[in-house]
Amino acid sequence: AQSVAQPEDQVNVAEGNPLTVKCTYSVSGNPYLFWYVQYPNRGLQFLLKYITGDNLVKGSYGFEAEFNKSQTSFHLKKPSALVSDSALYFCAVFTGTASKLTFGTGTRLQVTL
Amino acid sequence: GAVVSQHPSWVICKSGTSVKIECRSLDFQATTMFWYRQFPKQSLMLMATSNEGSKATYEQGVEKDKFLINHASLTLSTLTVTSAHPEDSSFYICSARVRTSGTNEQFFGPGTRLTVL
Repeated sequence: AQSVAQPEDQVNVAEGNPLTVKCTYSVSGNPYLFWYVQYPNRGLQFLLKYITGDNLVKGSYGFEAEFNKSQTSFHLKKPSALVSDSALYFCAVFTGTASKLTFGTGTRLQVTL
Repeated sequence: GAVVSQHPSWVICKSGTSVKIECRSLDFQATTMFWYRQFPKQSLMLMATSNEGSKATYEQGVEKDKFLINHASLTLSTLTVTSAHPEDSSFYICSARVRTSGTNEQFFGPGTRLTVL
């Protein structure tokens, strides 16, 4: 079975500071990894994905994520946070074996002035 | 591109009535559509997977007769909550899968907030 863990329910960052939202996964086989963002009462918006190749993936709105196979992690990062980044972030994994996305429990990012 | 719409965006209904939610892929054909349910401050729970022209595959614990899914075409799937009760109140999100370089990307609709009185 595949699973995703987001160990932090909430991350608080001051605007302008770098941010990291953590994600680890457990799968058998090669994972496809995704980050999504959700604003209140909205669906999920795609941020970025890792399929293969470069371990550092760049996505929308200045976000990036680093795939670390040895640590089975895919942490989301941004060099300089904005107040408008405040939202709920979901990490997800897909494998051909399960053939479906499995989501983490989500991490609420709060960016303050 | 790759836009998924849902209708209605919110609905309030009386207990015992049925509610239909539509999910459309606007600019692509979706071979597979997914229905998720999200409770407040919780993650998305996959309810069922539907392939065009075939019966939906429900996740364990999801009542097939309660949550009827129809995937009539490559651009439309519907979820009908039958005989709705207050405990069915939730945020329902659909997603459509498109084949892109074999990665099976999924795109999500904006969600439908269902409130059952």
